[in-house]
Order: sequence, then structure tokens, then C-alpha cells
Amino acid sequence: GAGVSQTPSNKVTEKGKYVELRCDPISGHTALYWYRQSLGQGPEFLIYFQGTGAADDSGLPNDRFFAVRPEGSVSTLKIQRTERGDSAVYLCASSLTSSSSPLHFGNGTRLTVT
Amino acid sequence: DQQVKQNSPSLSVQEGRISILNCDYTNSMFDYFLWYKKYPAEGPTFLISISSIKDKNEDGRFTVFLNKSAKHLSLHIVPSQPGDSAVYFCAARGSGNTPLVFGKGTRLSVIA
Repeated sequence: GAGVSQTPSNKVTEKGKYVELRCDPISGHTALYWYRQSLGQGPEFLIYFQGTGAADDSGLPNDRFFAVRPEGSVSTLKIQRTERGDSAVYLCASSLTSSSSPLHFGNGTRLTVT
Repeated sequence: DQQVKQNSPSLSVQEGRISILNCDYTNSMFDYFLWYKKYPAEGPTFLISISSIKDKNEDGRFTVFLNKSAKHLSLHIVPSQPGDSAVYFCAARGSGNTPLVFGKGTRLSVIA
């Protein structure tokens, strides 16, 4: 079946602009995660949803970052007043449950803030 | 402070030989460990996992070993193939709903 889908695959924006990144998880997966990967680093946790609610948002770097999952399926990561330091690959992952199921990642959105 | 450490940024191995990738962790609450493989422009792909109640898990050419007392795990690939060339990430989590914590990755190059 289809894997995790992320759109757009690439996004270039100017400093100060607002961006939205979309994630379509694997059908039936209740847990959804957002990670951010900078050059030379491993993926860093941002936020985790169980169903519609954010179960853990401790990884969001500041209040410019926000994510929603209104119907428990598709999720949108929103970044306000983008800064050059926000440039990274934003990865979405989903899993069947949140306990011992491995995460299945999408191909990511490469965000470049100029 | 990095909770999951992969101290070798890169590793080069000849085709047919064994590749050994290492990972250390500091958080004693971690009880589930995974290895992911990543090709350029793709997301990480799950490879193999191990629970803290085991010390070895094998899947085809891939074996993960866990040494809890040393807080160390390793991934063995044998025999190595050119298609195994990728970045390998070690990841760990605690029980319950804690998120996966990743290492920085090791770039494996398998030379034909």
C-alpha cells in the first residue's frame, strides 16, 4: 500500500514568510510524528500526535512552530515568521501504535529559507 | 547532550565482508532500539529492532546485538553488498509514548 506522503517535496521561502508542510500518514496509523533533520545530524523530534491530539510537543523549538491533525489523519506543520535557521528537511512518520511499532517515514520536505 | 551516539561518521567495507556499525546510549530508561537506513533524498527506512529483554535479533543478513550493561548496541551486516551503501541511524526510546531519539548516523560505503 501507499507509504507516508509529504508535500511539497521542496519549499523555498523568504525570511519572515509563513509556510505549511503537509503529511499524509499510512492509512490506519494512529500515531503521527514530525521530526526535523539538519545537515550532518540525525532526525530531531518535534511533535507527536495520537489521534487528533498532540500527545507530546516538547520538541517544538519555539512558538513560531505549530502542528495540527484535525481529523486524526492528515497533519500540517505550520511555521510562522520563518528564519534562515529553520532551513532543514522536515520528516513525518506514522506508526500503528505508539508503543513498540517502528516509525515509517515519508521522504520529507526540504525547506530553504532565503 | 546527546543521548544516542554514533561515534563513527563513516565506514568503508569491501563487498562480501562484514560491516559493523556501533551505537552507544546514555539514558538507562531506553528499552527499545532500532536501526534505520537512509538513502539520499529519501526518508529513513526501518531495518531492524531489538527490545531490552533480548541481547540479539537477527533478520537475514542483518543482526543487532544489545549490551545493556555497556549501554551499547551494534548492527552487523554480512555479507555486505554495494546496495547497503547508505547512512545508518541508531535510534532508541523509553517505554510508553516517548519519542524516538536518533544518533547522528554513520555513512557506510560498500566497495565492489
